[in-house]
Amino acid sequence: KAGVTQTPRYLIKTRGQQVTLSCSPISGHRSVSWYQQTPGQGLQFLFEYFSETQRNKGNFPGRFSGRQFSNSRSEMNVSTLELGDSALYLCASSLSGQVPKGDGYTFGSGTRLTVV
Amino acid sequence: GESVGLHLPTLSVQEGDNSIINCAYSNSASDYFIWYKQESGKGPQFIIDIRSNMDKRQGQRVTVLLNKTVKHLSLQIAATQPGDSAVYFCAENNDYKLSFGAGTTVTVRA
Repeated sequence: KAGVTQTPRYLIKTRGQQVTLSCSPISGHRSVSWYQQTPGQGLQFLFEYFSETQRNKGNFPGRFSGRQFSNSRSEMNVSTLELGDSALYLCASSLSGQVPKGDGYTFGSGTRLTVV
Repeated sequence: GESVGLHLPTLSVQEGDNSIINCAYSNSASDYFIWYKQESGKGPQFIIDIRSNMDKRQGQRVTVLLNKTVKHLSLQIAATQPGDSAVYFCAENNDYKLSFGAGTTVTVRA
């Protein structure tokens, strides 16, 4: 089966711009969560969506937002980009986002965002 | 806040030897733990998971041990191969999110 698809793979933006990243989960998975990965902070949780509803949000400023569509695809947006937003943004999908029944969270390959 | 941490940032192991990667967690309410492997340029890849009602779980060449008394998690890799070179993360799952440790970089020597 197809895995988690994230687009684009690489992105270069200028400070002050905004960016939208996309994630298509595994077919049948209804939970999509987003993570930021940096060398200094490691993997940090951004937010999680299930059936178009945000169920949890990490400790990030309001410039970071997301949404989920009825087909479970998700987008995240970062407005007014800062240099510190440069990171690998990872999307993970799971069946329900709760303690899985023999399945874990499947990650995409990520979007590498560079802010200059 | 609560977090999951790894004891060593790097581990060098001879090909064919067994590897042990350790992780300490602090949230005693966590009931599900996962080990991930991340290779350069890729997202984390699921290795094995364990629920809090278990002490041990085995997969192919991998074993996860959970010690709830001391809140410790470990990943054992048998007969380590060059393809096992990667960064390994433990994570705990609660409230619809994963909390990751800092990661251990495993390098396999030929």
